[in-house]
Amino acid sequence: QKEVEQDPGPLSVPEGAIVSLNCTYSNSAFQYFMWYRQYSRKGPELLMYTYSSGNKEDGRFTAQVDKSSKYISLFIRDSQPSDSATYLCAMSDSGGGADGLTFGKGTHLIIQP
Amino acid sequence: DTEVTQTPKHLVMGMTNKKSLKCEQHMGHRAMYWYKQKAKKPPELMFVYSYEKLSINESVPSRFSPECPNSSLLNLHLHALQPEDSALYLCASSTRRGEGTNEKLFFGSGTQLSVL
Repeated sequence: QKEVEQDPGPLSVPEGAIVSLNCTYSNSAFQYFMWYRQYSRKGPELLMYTYSSGNKEDGRFTAQVDKSSKYISLFIRDSQPSDSATYLCAMSDSGGGADGLTFGKGTHLIIQP
Repeated sequence: DTEVTQTPKHLVMGMTNKKSLKCEQHMGHRAMYWYKQKAKKPPELMFVYSYEKLSINESVPSRFSPECPNSSLLNLHLHALQPEDSALYLCASSTRRGEGTNEKLFFGSGTQLSVL
């Protein structure tokens, strides 16, 4: 069983639609949850960062974490063609040491003009 | 103010070459990372320097050698690579204020490496 599951897509939606991206995980020690956006052949860009359960909103983006269900979501409102990219969820526990992040496989999102 | 700079952006090398990838950050971060990313795959952690202490992913072959000259610079020395090592190599940094905390990870744009 993989630690983080994420549907690779592609997910294609029309411009202006609300997009929902999701990840599930199995490691109950994860406490820090992130969403990254990655354009082709570029480095991942941090979009949202959440500690423990709850919601966080930043402009058109909303991140939700449900630790009881081990489920995280990213919502994009009023989607734009420039949102077309791969979205990676990432998470880590609170332990010290060289742990880095555990990533999902990424969802390829296409916003149709 | 979240900039991690990587050079070169593209690199083509033969299997007998020696080359180095460079990474620099001026955000005062005390942890720096090397990740490897193959097409349509998530990044995979290779090395971490945290407060100048190196941690290694045991699965990384010895033809990859990291170096951290100071807390702002990180190099990855490459020697006798194989074609399967062709990938996007990403540098990242984070604040990592100490044990038991985890801070945001910021990535550079990467070096696209092709091994012929």
